[in-house]
Amino acid sequence: NAGVTQTPKFRVLKTGQSMTLLCAQDMNHEYMYWYRQDPGMGLRLIHYSVGEGTTAKGEVPDGYNVSRLKKQNFLLGLESAAPSQTSVYFCASSIEPGQKDYEQYFGPGTRLTVT
Amino acid sequence: AQSVTQPDIHITVSEGASLELRCNYSYGATPYLFWYVQSPGQGLQLLLKYFSGDTLVQGIKGFEAEFKRSQSSFNLRKPSVHWSDAAEYFCAVVPTDSWGKLQFGAGTQVVVTP
Repeated sequence: NAGVTQTPKFRVLKTGQSMTLLCAQDMNHEYMYWYRQDPGMGLRLIHYSVGEGTTAKGEVPDGYNVSRLKKQNFLLGLESAAPSQTSVYFCASSIEPGQKDYEQYFGPGTRLTVT
Repeated sequence: AQSVTQPDIHITVSEGASLELRCNYSYGATPYLFWYVQSPGQGLQLLLKYFSGDTLVQGIKGFEAEFKRSQSSFNLRKPSVHWSDAAEYFCAVVPTDSWGKLQFGAGTQVVVTP
C-alpha cells in the first residue's frame, strides 16, 4: 500500500514550457486534490476532483489544468509555465468529507522551479 | 471573511519544555479541524482532528489539541518536546458548507534547542 505517490519529485522548466505532474493513489478514494505550497502562505488548493471524470476549481486555479480519467490518477498540467508557478506541489486524496474517518492523505510533493 | 490564522510564524522551544501552537478560525459554523505536521522536505502527516464530541483530542506523537467554541480556537499542545518535533505545523479546516476544500493556516515553524 503505497498511499499517495507523485511523479516527478523535482523539475526545472523554462518559462513557456509545459509539463504534467502525475498523482496516483491506491486507497480507492473518490476525492483527489492538488495544492501548491509557498513560503508563509500554507497550502492553497488549485483544483480538486470528487470522482472519476470530474474536476473543479479551487482557490488558485489560473494557469493550471487537471484531468481525472481514472479513479486512481489525478494529473496537473501547466500549459505555459511562468516563474510565478515556482512552488512545491502536493497531491492529496480522501474519502467523501463528512464521514468520521475523513482526512486527506498527502503525497511527498513535487518541487518545481520555473526559470 | 473566512480564514484560518496561526499567529506565531516561528517558535523556539527547549527540548523537554512544553509547546503550545495557536490556531484561530473564522467561519459561520464550526468547521472540521485538523493539525498537520511537515518535516523538512517531506509531505504532510495528520497529527489529530476534531469533528465533534469531546473537545480535548488526542493525537499521534504525544500531541493533543483543545477545541474552544467560544474562542474559535483549536490549539495544539505537547507537554514535553523532543528534538524530532522540530518541523512546520499547519492548522487546517474544512468548512461544513464547502466540503472537501481544506483551508490551511500559514504554518508555525518550530525549532527545538538542546
